[in-house]
Amino acid sequence: AQKVTQAQTEISVVEKEDVTLDCVYETRDTTYYLFWYKQPPSGELVFLIRRNSFDEQNEISGRYSWNFQKSTSSFNFTITASQVVDSAVYFCALILSGNTPLVFGKGTRLSVIA
Amino acid sequence: GAGVSQSPSNKVTEKGKDVELRCDPISGHTALYWYRQRLGQGLEFLIYFQGNSAPDKSGLPSDRFSAERTGESVSTLTIQRTQQEDSAVYLCASSLAPIPSSLDEQFFGPGTRLTVL
Repeated sequence: AQKVTQAQTEISVVEKEDVTLDCVYETRDTTYYLFWYKQPPSGELVFLIRRNSFDEQNEISGRYSWNFQKSTSSFNFTITASQVVDSAVYFCALILSGNTPLVFGKGTRLSVIA
Repeated sequence: GAGVSQSPSNKVTEKGKDVELRCDPISGHTALYWYRQRLGQGLEFLIYFQGNSAPDKSGLPSDRFSAERTGESVSTLTIQRTQQEDSAVYLCASSLAPIPSSLDEQFFGPGTRLTVL
């Protein structure tokens, strides 16, 4: 069975600090995809990134970066120079190839304080 | 263009009553998913549709839950004889591919917040 663990339930940082959200996943499949979603207070899930299991290249998008390491089954998410608008719940999720639903972690609530 | 829409946005009901939640996917999206998010929890998969068929109903919590989809479009999730533990946000998502694929992003609706008193 697949599992996604986000050990950090809540994180609070001061604006402009860097913050890393951890994600550890479990699967026996060799082909899978990892996602990060942002859920702001409005409730709607916002897609941030998708990464497949064959591509371990790290990715940077503006202030966001992702570190995928298969050796540790981790897909961590870093926000550089955090802003108040980054305050949200962030979910890491896993999907296998084929007709399967997303398996979500329980989320990390990030609060960025001005 | 329009995203995934859900109605109602909020529903308060009494224990034992039936409720219907509606999802309108993005036009042309053949795959549709229902998830449940309890307070402070992650999302639990409930059911998905490929066209009007539901090949995977494994996530439905009990036989009080059912869902249907018509015209490869709108879907309704019905909860009969609601219980307090059914209180949650019910999220719908849709994706494009004829066969759901990991490559296709699931677009989520704003959810319906269900409160069972």
